[in-house]
Amino acid sequence: EAGVAQSPRYKIIEKRQSVAFWCNPISGHATLYWYQQILGQGPKLLIQFQNNGVVDDSQLPKDRFSAERLKGVDSTLKIQPAKLEDSAVYLCASSLSTGELFFGEGSRLTVL
Amino acid sequence: GQSLEQPSEVTAVEGAIVQINCTYQTSGFYGLSWYQQHDGGAPTFLSYNALDGLEETGRFSSFLSRSDSYGYLLLQELQMKDSASYFCAVRTPRGQNFVFGPGTRLSVLP
Repeated sequence: EAGVAQSPRYKIIEKRQSVAFWCNPISGHATLYWYQQILGQGPKLLIQFQNNGVVDDSQLPKDRFSAERLKGVDSTLKIQPAKLEDSAVYLCASSLSTGELFFGEGSRLTVL
Repeated sequence: GQSLEQPSEVTAVEGAIVQINCTYQTSGFYGLSWYQQHDGGAPTFLSYNALDGLEETGRFSSFLSRSDSYGYLLLQELQMKDSASYFCAVRTPRGQNFVFGPGTRLSVLP
């Protein structure tokens, strides 16, 4: 079974630039999550999708972050404009209803 | 809101047993999960407790006391490869999503 795919693995940008991350969840997983993990901290939920609908985006900084999940499969997370404090690993995860989260390898963002 | 507390670091020697505690304060609770994350890697699922008691999976066991808002992960027969960060995560009623703790960095010494 293929795991959660994410790209790019690494991205370096300057502040005020934009960046987009892509995630392909495990086939059949209806729930998709984007987490932000700052170095030395636990993952923080940004947004949760159930199929192509948003379940929880209460911690998404909507003035600069956006996310979509077209057709209930792939998802993209965009940051525009980026700030220094956005430097982090962006983790995508998917799950069935059992509650076990399957994480991708993450996209490491460095904002200079 | 939700808050979770874990020790920041734990050190133990190969072959020993170590317990990583997690206490939580949440508005609503469905269960407690544990994840392992090696440096530069993705978090991987270890266990999930929805009910009180001990769950055992090989060398790893996880315990939950809902009345005490407390759980722990027990690692037995420690190996060098167990050196990693361990996160507890509470499953909340809000979308049944997971709120993660700050993590405990485990160092296993030879």
